Amino acid sequence: GQQVMQIPQYQHVQEGEDFTTYCNSSTTLSNIQWYKQRPGGHPVFLIQLVKSGEVKKQKRLTFQFGEAKKNSSLHITATQTTDVGTYFCAGPGGYQKVTFGTGTKLQVIP
Amino acid sequence: DAGVIQSPRHEVTEMGQEVTLRCKPISGHDYLFWYRQTMMRGLELLIYFNNNVPIDDSGMPEDRFSAKMPNASFSTLKIQPSEPRDSAVYFCASSSPWGDYNEQFFGPGTRLTVL
Repeated sequence: GQQVMQIPQYQHVQEGEDFTTYCNSSTTLSNIQWYKQRPGGHPVFLIQLVKSGEVKKQKRLTFQFGEAKKNSSLHITATQTTDVGTYFCAGPGGYQKVTFGTGTKLQVIP
Repeated sequence: DAGVIQSPRHEVTEMGQEVTLRCKPISGHDYLFWYRQTMMRGLELLIYFNNNVPIDDSGMPEDRFSAKMPNASFSTLKIQPSEPRDSAVYFCASSSPWGDYNEQFFGPGTRLTVL
């Protein structure tokens, strides 16, 4: 079955530094979603990418979908303490089902 | 809309006891998902429903776990008997195929501790 791997598993950054998490799939994806889970919270949808090579921005967050639609990345510019949490990518798993990646836990040191 | 509602938010029980987790999806959402999250295994899909019918229960760990959706606004996940290894956060999520995205809306979760 489809597997979605994320690296790194953990990342500690100094506040103000940039952060990137990478998502890789064993199969071509029709789309990819990104979610954020704050500590003690629940996953919250951030964005969906559909097109090959697509780039979308949300303020300091930049999402990219690979040309081959097998990988994706999330880049945060100048991290803030509010960015703390675990970031998940998710690929379609059939019907409305999604397969969540392993997640990257981001710690921001003030 | 109040979002996905789960109860209880926290549950502490003793090994061998029956545990029932409850979920109310967002009104109008046709799909309902039950997930389990642990440090070791991450976010695992247990089962999901479409229009109250179970579609895929391949993630249900064993016969001790069962889930029902008697109507469009209510679902339960039952563990009987519970074991310490069932300790986890259980999330319910719902989604609709009619929006711009097929994103899932998660409830706040139930933190289950089995002693």
